Amino acid sequence: DAGVIQSPRHEVTEMGQEVTLRCKPISGHNSLFWYRQTMMRGLELLIYFNNNVPIDDSGMPEDRFSAKMPNASFSTLKIQPSEPRDSAVYFCATSIGVWTEAFFGQGTRLTVV
Amino acid sequence: SQQGEEDPQALSIQEGENATMNCSYKTSINNLQWYRQNSGRGLVHLILIRSNEREKHSGRLRVTLDTSKKSSSLLITASRAADTASYFCATDAGGNNRLAFGKGNQVVVIP
Repeated sequence: DAGVIQSPRHEVTEMGQEVTLRCKPISGHNSLFWYRQTMMRGLELLIYFNNNVPIDDSGMPEDRFSAKMPNASFSTLKIQPSEPRDSAVYFCATSIGVWTEAFFGQGTRLTVV
Repeated sequence: SQQGEEDPQALSIQEGENATMNCSYKTSINNLQWYRQNSGRGLVHLILIRSNEREKHSGRLRVTLDTSKKSSSLLITASRAADTASYFCATDAGGNNRLAFGKGNQVVVIP
C-alpha cells in the first residue's frame, strides 16, 4: 500500500481564493483525521470522520473551512475564502477503527499571500 | 486545552546518550501513543501503550505510563543521529475518539 496520499504537496494561493486539499486514505482504514500544524499552535485536530461520517468538527476554526468524505477512498478539506493566517501544513491521517495507530500523509504546505 | 502536553523542552545530546521526554494529560484515556516527526515530513507512529499497561518496549524505545499522575515518558536509549526529530505524544482525549497531540519535543542528536 502506498500509504496515505495527500495532494498537492505545496500550494501557494492569493488571499480570497478557494483552496481544496485532498486525501486518499489507506484502503480498509475507516477513521480519517484532518490536522493543521503551525509553529505557534502545534498540531490541531480540525475534524475527523468514522466510516465516512463526520464525528467531530469542533476543531474547524471557522465557517470558511469545510470537509467532506464522499466515500471511503477520498476526502477533501476546503477553505473558502482563504486568508494569510490559514498558512500552515495540513495533514491527513487514517487508522483502522479508533484508539489505534494513525498513519499520516506527507502533508500539504499551504501558503496564502 | 489539548490533551497530551509534553514538557516544553528541546534536547540536545551526544550520540550514544539516552534521551528522555515526558508527557502529561488531563482526562482519562484508553491509550497513549508516541510519534516522531522528521523535519518536513508527516508523523510516524512509534509505540502505543494502553491504560492498563505500565511499561512497554520497542527496540531502543521504552515508554512508561502512570495513570495516577496522568503522565508518560519516552526513553530513547543509545541515541543515533537519525533519532534527530520532534517527538509527540497523543491521547484519545477521554475516550471520545479524538486523537489529540501535544506540542512536541525537539531532540537533536549530535554525531
